[in-house]
Amino acid sequence: GAVVSQHPSWVICKSGTSVKIECRSLDFQATTMFWYRQFPKQSLMLMATSNEGSKATYEQGVEKDKFLINHASLTLSTLTVTSAHPEDSSFYICSARWQGEGYTFGSGTRLTVV
Amino acid sequence: AQSVTQLGSHVSVSEGALVLLRCNYSSSVPPYLFWYVQYPNQGLQLLLKYTTGATLVKGINGFEAEFKKSETSFHLTKPSAHMSDAAEYFCAVSEGGSYIPTFGRGTSLIVHP
Repeated sequence: GAVVSQHPSWVICKSGTSVKIECRSLDFQATTMFWYRQFPKQSLMLMATSNEGSKATYEQGVEKDKFLINHASLTLSTLTVTSAHPEDSSFYICSARWQGEGYTFGSGTRLTVV
Repeated sequence: AQSVTQLGSHVSVSEGALVLLRCNYSSSVPPYLFWYVQYPNQGLQLLLKYTTGATLVKGINGFEAEFKKSETSFHLTKPSAHMSDAAEYFCAVSEGGSYIPTFGRGTSLIVHP
């Protein structure tokens, strides 16, 4: 089946630093990947849609300069949280569409900014 | 526009009891419907999905769901709960296979001995 690998699974960083999260499709080509943010005990909120070879499409209210998305290849999308602050602490999950009708999710990244 | 309502943020059952997690949706076109499970600090795993055809869908781990158009519902059931079923469950709807799903707020399933 389609597998998406997300790394790191957890990261702690100091306020003001940047953190990069990687999402790789292991056995299929993902032309489109999605980045979600999940607050404790809440649902997934779509942040942006990442398209290979083009600029990401951000949802309303998401700061594109803070959450930089790069999708340079058919198997890799990255989310960089720039100048992270404690309010950016959250659980970030990537997802990729495969075979037109399915979405597979990464295992998520727990970001804690101190 | 599409939306999902999951009734009950928490559902508590005894081990061996019936599991029923409720999901109602709104969609302007025939929907695709999904149930996902999330264990702590992990991503989402697809339990089952409905696209077209048979309205009773069987998924992994003994779960099934029935699409009822007249009730705009897609409730998730399992005849006998197991301790390992304790997790967060999300219902999602999309308007076709190419459209990004919209997720419900999730229901936490608690299974006690």
